[in-house]
Amino acid sequence: DTGVSQDPRHKITKRGQNVTFRCDPISEHNRLYWYRQTLGQGPEFLTYFQNEAQLEKSRLLSNRFSAERPKGSFSTLEIQRTEQGDSAMYLCASRAGGGSNEQFFGPGTRLTVL
Amino acid sequence: SQQGEEDPQALSIQEGENATMNCSYKTSINNLQWYRQNSGRGLVHLILIRSNEREKHSGRLRVTLDTSKKSSSLLITASRAADTASYFCATAIISSGSARQLTFGSGTQLTVLP
Repeated sequence: DTGVSQDPRHKITKRGQNVTFRCDPISEHNRLYWYRQTLGQGPEFLTYFQNEAQLEKSRLLSNRFSAERPKGSFSTLEIQRTEQGDSAMYLCASRAGGGSNEQFFGPGTRLTVL
Repeated sequence: SQQGEEDPQALSIQEGENATMNCSYKTSINNLQWYRQNSGRGLVHLILIRSNEREKHSGRLRVTLDTSKKSSSLLITASRAADTASYFCATAIISSGSARQLTFGSGTQLTVLP
């Protein structure tokens, strides 16, 4: 257990539905990341928050995806009008500020879009 | 897109043997990190090596970095069945931003047979 939690752990939804995932980072960490991982591949960066500010977004993050970190603590990732290609593991990670480079990953949310 | 490639894609060894995994990457980096992922779980940070370092040890792990060849290797000595997992290298690129998002390779699936 790295101290980063994600909810739910699994989500099955029908195409076209909206889904929302939550990440609770390590409390002292002001940096938060979302990644997506498909089967047999490494994680791919989606977006980054420093405190409540969303500072970077990957071009993988289509306009159907939105992420928030309203109080600089937990974060949510919402996918609207889900497509089968959205099926993946969604991973959240956090790290401390300053010179720290190590990211602590949560267990992930596995999304299956039918 | 993936920054690096791991080699081999899959490795199967007997308990007690050493396992060597290689990683190549494409751009100049700030540091390179190795992560481990058990099936269906989140990633666990193993070791970080900075761009000005050539070798680093942590317990049974030894990492080397050759920035001229843009490659790294991870050696696990005296392997155990519990080392069975996927291993990913991840690079943090030099940039003006603070994100330091990680770019992962495609991973090596290590199986240690008892």
